[in-house]
Amino acid sequence: DSGVTQTPKHLITATGQRVTLRCSPRSGDLSVYWYQQSLDQGLQFLIHYYNGEERAKGNILERFSAQQFPDLHSELNLSSLELGDSALYFCASSVGLAGARYEQYFGPGTRLTVT
Amino acid sequence: TQLLEQSPQFLSIQEGENLTVYCNSSSVFSSLQWYRQEPGEGPVLLVTVVTGGEVKKLKRLTFQFGDARKDSSLHITAAQTGDTGLYLCAFDPGRRALTFGSGTRLQVQP
Repeated sequence: DSGVTQTPKHLITATGQRVTLRCSPRSGDLSVYWYQQSLDQGLQFLIHYYNGEERAKGNILERFSAQQFPDLHSELNLSSLELGDSALYFCASSVGLAGARYEQYFGPGTRLTVT
Repeated sequence: TQLLEQSPQFLSIQEGENLTVYCNSSSVFSSLQWYRQEPGEGPVLLVTVVTGGEVKKLKRLTFQFGDARKDSSLHITAAQTGDTGLYLCAFDPGRRALTFGSGTRLQVQP
């Protein structure tokens, strides 16, 4: 158990819909990262928040957005869903900012299926 | 663009065998990380290598960082069924998040 929690574990929805994925980081961690894992693209970085502020964006689509709240939990919002958005979405947290300098702890993921 | 290439993509071996998986790039890295991801779970950090030529051991796993810091290898001695999983290498391209290789999927048969 990494100490990072993600809900829901599974999500099945239809194309065009909007969903929200939730992540609670480890106690004391200020950084939250979101990653998408699909069979054809592998594990890809989406977005990073540190203490409530967006710090870096990766390959995140405009239909996707995220935020980190004052209690440090984070939500990833996916809208106008397409079949290709079906993937595993992971949240990771770390104590500090500097990438590989601080270990990232991954949650168990949310499996999104768009039908 | 810095890319990590991992080989082989898939590996199926019998329990007790030895294996090596590779992570290669044309770029120089300040550090490289190895993760293992088991089915239904998130990746878990195994090791971070920093110095060119560095060798780190984690029980039956041996990690090596190339002298030029462009490549790394993971050697497993006497594989066990519990070693089954997806092995990922990763680096931080300076934006404070990780870039992952495509991974090596290892299946250890009893």
